[in-house]
Amino acid sequence: DVKVTQSSRYLVKRTGEKVFLECVQDMDHENMFWYRQDPGLGLRLIYFSYDVKMKEKGDIPEGYSVSREKKERFSLILESASTNQTSMYLCASSRHRTGELFFGEGSRLTVL
Amino acid sequence: DQQVKQNSPSLSVQEGRISILNCDYTNSMFDYFLWYKKYPAEGPTFLISISSIKDKNEDGRFTVFLNKSAKHLSLHIVPSQPGDSAVYFCAASASGSARQLTFGSGTQLTVLP
Repeated sequence: DVKVTQSSRYLVKRTGEKVFLECVQDMDHENMFWYRQDPGLGLRLIYFSYDVKMKEKGDIPEGYSVSREKKERFSLILESASTNQTSMYLCASSRHRTGELFFGEGSRLTVL
Repeated sequence: DQQVKQNSPSLSVQEGRISILNCDYTNSMFDYFLWYKKYPAEGPTFLISISSIKDKNEDGRFTVFLNKSAKHLSLHIVPSQPGDSAVYFCAASASGSARQLTFGSGTQLTVLP
């Protein structure tokens, strides 16, 4: 089975802090994604990557950056956390040219 | 502008009855549709998909129907079980590529024993 592992299930940070969310997948998938899930808004795409060192902006990239130095690892970075970034963050991966995403369990971030 | 809409935030159904979850879309370029299920404190898991060349796809208790002219799809669960209680997201893609997956806001299904 595909396994997507997110490093932290729950985080509490203060406004202005730098936040790293890490994601690792074990199925050699080309594509990796970061979404955030908010009530009433569903899942919104922040960034995705289709290859090592490649990245593309999703629908809501402002305030975020990403890093993909190895195929299996995709990191989401909040350079200076703000309260409106309090959310559930979901990492996902997929094979090239398929629509099926495999998600991690999510990281619940609270910014105070 | 939400291109994929799930207008019912919640649905309650009695165990053993049919659950029908609805999803509407506005982008006529969408040609691949998926349903995901999400339990609390877990990531979404893939449930069933349908390509625009079909109007129905079945997998056990789950059937997805696609009405292209109405830009509407629905997920039928028969019979509904308490373990089906979860948030259901529909998603759509314009190219069959996960890069362009657009999600709806989700419907919380509660199956009452």
